[in-house]
Amino acid sequence: DVKVTQSSRYLVKRTGEKVFLECVQDMDHENMFWYRQDPGLGLRLIYFSYDVKMKEKGDIPEGYSVSREKKERFSLILESASTNQTSMYLCASIPGPNTEAFFGQGTRLTVV
Amino acid sequence: QQQVKQSPQSLIVQKGGISIINCAYENTAFDYFPWYQQFPGKGPALLIAIRPDVSEKKEGRFTISFNKSAKQFSLHIMDSQPGDSATYFCAASSIKAAGNKLTFGGGTRVLVKP
Repeated sequence: DVKVTQSSRYLVKRTGEKVFLECVQDMDHENMFWYRQDPGLGLRLIYFSYDVKMKEKGDIPEGYSVSREKKERFSLILESASTNQTSMYLCASIPGPNTEAFFGQGTRLTVV
Repeated sequence: QQQVKQSPQSLIVQKGGISIINCAYENTAFDYFPWYQQFPGKGPALLIAIRPDVSEKKEGRFTISFNKSAKQFSLHIMDSQPGDSATYFCAASSIKAAGNKLTFGGGTRVLVKP
């Protein structure tokens, strides 16, 4: 079974903190994604990566950055956390074009 | 600007009834239309998917109907069961898109009453 693992289920951080969300997949997938999920807005793409050290902005990249130093690991970084970044964050990977996306269990981040 | 619009936001159906969720898209380059199901505390998981060369796909009690000219597709859940209570997301992607990224609709929370 494909497994996408996010390092934390719940996080509480203070405004202005630098926050790291980690995601690891075990199936050698090229493409990895970070989404945030908010009620009524669905899943919105923050950043994605199609190769090691390659990254592309998604639809809402402001306030975020990413790192992909190894194929299996894709990290989302909140440079200076703000309350409007309180959300559910979901990591996903896909093996190829127009194929099933595998999601992690999500990280619920609260910024206070 | 939402490229994939999903309705309704929520839906209550009696056990045994039919749940219908609709999605509309704008980008004619989209060529893959999956539906994801998400239970509380879990990440979304693929339920069923369709490509635009067919107008309907059925897997068990779940059916996707696809209307290419109208740029619309829908999910029908037949004989809805309490275990189907979940949030459903439609999505779309294009084989030409960088990274093969998926664009999601806003989600529909379905509650099936026993």
